[in-house]
Order: sequence, then structure tokens, then C-alpha cells
Amino acid sequence: AQTVTQSQPEMSVQEAETVTLSCTYDTSESDYYLFWYKQPPSRQMILVIRQEAYKQQNATENRFSVNFQKAAKSFSLKISDSQLGDAAMYFCAYRSARDSNSGYALNFGKGTSLLVTP
Amino acid sequence: DVKVTQSSRYLVKRTGEKVFLECVQDMDHENMFWYRQDPGLGLRLIYFSYDVKMKEKGDIPEGYSVSREKKERFSLILESASTNQTSMYLCASSPTSGSPYEQYFGPGTRLTVT
Repeated sequence: AQTVTQSQPEMSVQEAETVTLSCTYDTSESDYYLFWYKQPPSRQMILVIRQEAYKQQNATENRFSVNFQKAAKSFSLKISDSQLGDAAMYFCAYRSARDSNSGYALNFGKGTSLLVTP
Repeated sequence: DVKVTQSSRYLVKRTGEKVFLECVQDMDHENMFWYRQDPGLGLRLIYFSYDVKMKEKGDIPEGYSVSREKKERFSLILESASTNQTSMYLCASSPTSGSPYEQYFGPGTRLTVT
């Protein structure tokens, strides 16, 4: 099974500053998808950004961008101009592109809790 | 907007009770999932279903069963609840066709077994 590692249990950033959350994964596959999900306190898990492994260009969604290093199996999330509303638990997740027997289940990291200070 | 709903946000049950957690999605997704979320452990897959009446075990199926009689509904069953099943339970759904296949989550059910 693919393993997803988030080495930072907690991170802190000041409002308006930039923070990077790290994620590494272990796989022997060449085709897969990577995701960052955000879970605010007592609220629903929502997708922040996704990356297809076959795409070399790093994904960007407004203030959120990723640094995808396929050879290094690294998928970090950069949050620019941090806002108080960015405070949440962030999960990195991996999904195989071909393992249909798994129903395309996600493998999640253990999460990084992001604190945003005024 | 995709909507995944779960029958309860908070649930308190006694040890030995049979517990049903219901999940409904409105986007005609083929795949549905039940995860368990515990602090420091992230999300762990309990069961998933890729079609009506089809189910597959995930990483931690012991003590759980599931039912999918209709495409939009996926139920998680705790046959005899135990205190170590106190946790947050998240349901999710995703399509099979059409990239990028991300999963859509429900709000979660926080189950306490006493």
C-alpha cells in the first residue's frame, strides 16, 4: 500500500505570511493523483488543490500552490498571504490512477494542524 | 454542488448496542467510502463500495460491516459497539469516470461509545 507522510504535526504562520506544508509519499506507480484537503475545526473536509502525476506543471489555486517533485516523491503545499480562515487541519492524500479494485480509495497522511496568528 | 450528508453529527451509544451510520450522496457517484478519523492517525479506510450491493474491506474493517442497497446510500454498521470504536466517522463519495476523481466528504459523525 502507498504510504503518505506528513512530517509536521503542527505549523504556525502569521497572517499575511507564507507557509509551506510538506508531504512525501511512497509508490512504485507512475500514474497517480495527489490531493491536499483542508478540515477546519468542526467543519467539513474540502479539497484545496489536486495534482495529476503526469503533469509537470505545478497546480495553483489562488493563494494555494504546490511544489510537486515526482522523482523525490514530494508534494508540498504553499499558502501565500495566509488568512485567519486558513487555520485548519491539512491532509495530503494519494490515489492510484489504475487500481480500480480499490474503488479509487485515498491514502491519507496523518495531517498537519495549521495555526494562523494575527 | 455535490452534497454528501450523514444522518447524525453527534451520537452517543452504549457498549454492545448495534449502531447504524447513514450516508447519502446526491451526485450519482459510483464509489462510496467510510473512513475513521482519530487524532494523530489521520483517516483510515474502513470499507468502500464501487457499486450497489458491492463492498470491499479497507484497512480496518474489524468490528464493522456495511450495506449499499441503493446507489446513493451507504450505511456503516457497528454490530456490537465497543469503547474503542469511539471516533469521528467520515463518509465520502467519488465518481469513477471523469478526472480528477477527488472524493467529496460528508460533515462527519462523532460517535461516543460509553
